[in-house]
Amino acid sequence: GAVVSQHPSWVICKSGTSVKIECRSLDFQATTMFWYRQFPKQSLMLMATSNEGSKATYEQGVEKDKFLINHASLTLSTLTVTSAHPEDSSFYICSAHDLAATSYNEQFFGPGTRLTVL
Amino acid sequence: AQSVTQLGSHVSVSEGALVLLRCNYSSSVPPYLFWYVQYPNQGLQLLLKYTSAATLVKGINGFEAEFKKSETSFHLTKPSAHMSDAAEYFCAVTKAAGNKLTFGGGTRVLVKP
Repeated sequence: GAVVSQHPSWVICKSGTSVKIECRSLDFQATTMFWYRQFPKQSLMLMATSNEGSKATYEQGVEKDKFLINHASLTLSTLTVTSAHPEDSSFYICSAHDLAATSYNEQFFGPGTRLTVL
Repeated sequence: AQSVTQLGSHVSVSEGALVLLRCNYSSSVPPYLFWYVQYPNQGLQLLLKYTSAATLVKGINGFEAEFKKSETSFHLTKPSAHMSDAAEYFCAVTKAAGNKLTFGGGTRVLVKP
């Protein structure tokens, strides 16, 4: 149980295009999902917290108009990188918080999406 | 505010030797603490977590960690390293269930045969 998937696992796009990344909780409901960004050989940096049915909360320094987050259901959150540029190339990881867990409900992480912008 | 410091960005150990990864945290409230492992081009896998129960926490793959409030530490250990332990390890803290995690800088473990 507690599986989180991401799609696509990798994507290459041209500069100026938009890319959508999906994060799904496969066997549990998640009111909250988190989006992280990881540069090579660096730690994870939280970009935003995505809450089902409401606007995402962005961390300081993250452009909300560039990184659009939609959390339309309890099992799906999407991150759209708009007008992507080479500096947006990174590894994007999502995590989901299990709504039903009675003990401390850890976050379950997706496998990540490697974005390369040419 | 909360923060996590992992001492040593790289650790090299011989196969069969003790693995010790250091993590110190700061938090204004009693924290929840986690250790995750990441293999190349993959997401994070939970090794173990501290949630105010036992201070010595046992996790998967033979890892364990001890919460020491007086030292604000949560160091990760494994008595005998295996080649498959070569990976990146992250310590993380949060102050409430379901809240956002703050990660340390990570420690890359190299296991020598």
